[in-house]
Amino acid sequence: GDSVTQMEGPVTLSEEAFLTINCTYTATGYPSLFWYVQYPGEGLQLLLKATKADDKGSNKGFEATYRKETTSFHLEKGSVQVSDSAVYFCALSERNQGGKLIFGQGTELSVKP
Amino acid sequence: DGGITQSPKYLFRKEGQNVTLSCEQNLNHDAMYWYRQDPGQGLRLIYYSQIVNDFQKGDIAEGYSVSREKKESFPLTVTSAQKNPTAFYLCASSTGVGEKLFFGSGTQLSVL
Repeated sequence: GDSVTQMEGPVTLSEEAFLTINCTYTATGYPSLFWYVQYPGEGLQLLLKATKADDKGSNKGFEATYRKETTSFHLEKGSVQVSDSAVYFCALSERNQGGKLIFGQGTELSVKP
Repeated sequence: DGGITQSPKYLFRKEGQNVTLSCEQNLNHDAMYWYRQDPGQGLRLIYYSQIVNDFQKGDIAEGYSVSREKKESFPLTVTSAQKNPTAFYLCASSTGVGEKLFFGSGTQLSVL
């Protein structure tokens, strides 16, 4: 079945460092890909999405490019802030499976001043 | 303000007891979902509903039940058959298939 694999956390960075969180997926069709963020004690919020190959999703300085050839959707940010500390989830959704989201296990990011 | 409301924020269950988690949305979304979050395991889908009076099992439906009698409401019952219910439960909704999910703030369920 479909699945999503993320790099293990926690990831600890200093403020203004470059961030990459790796995400790869397995899917039978042509999924839409998402990054969600979860702040402590809260639900998840959509960070960005891409719906087809070579699409780039971007929001709040974060970017991710849908790479069909490597089945990847890595999250990047050029300069992280303390306020970016959260858990980040990669997810996919396929229309032929009712559109339900399949999540990776999450990657905790901690940014130190 | 439009959004999804989950209640209660914290819930405790005794052995052999059924408990119901509430999820209400005023976004006029057709689809609603229940996820369970365990530390280090990400989110797993329990049940989802794409339209009123219809719902489907997700990946871990055993020990849970749902209803969808109204568009805005999708309550989840954790039955006594669920032997390991301690987790963070998240409700979500979307306008439809493949669209972004809007999440509630979650309910932490613990066993006494």
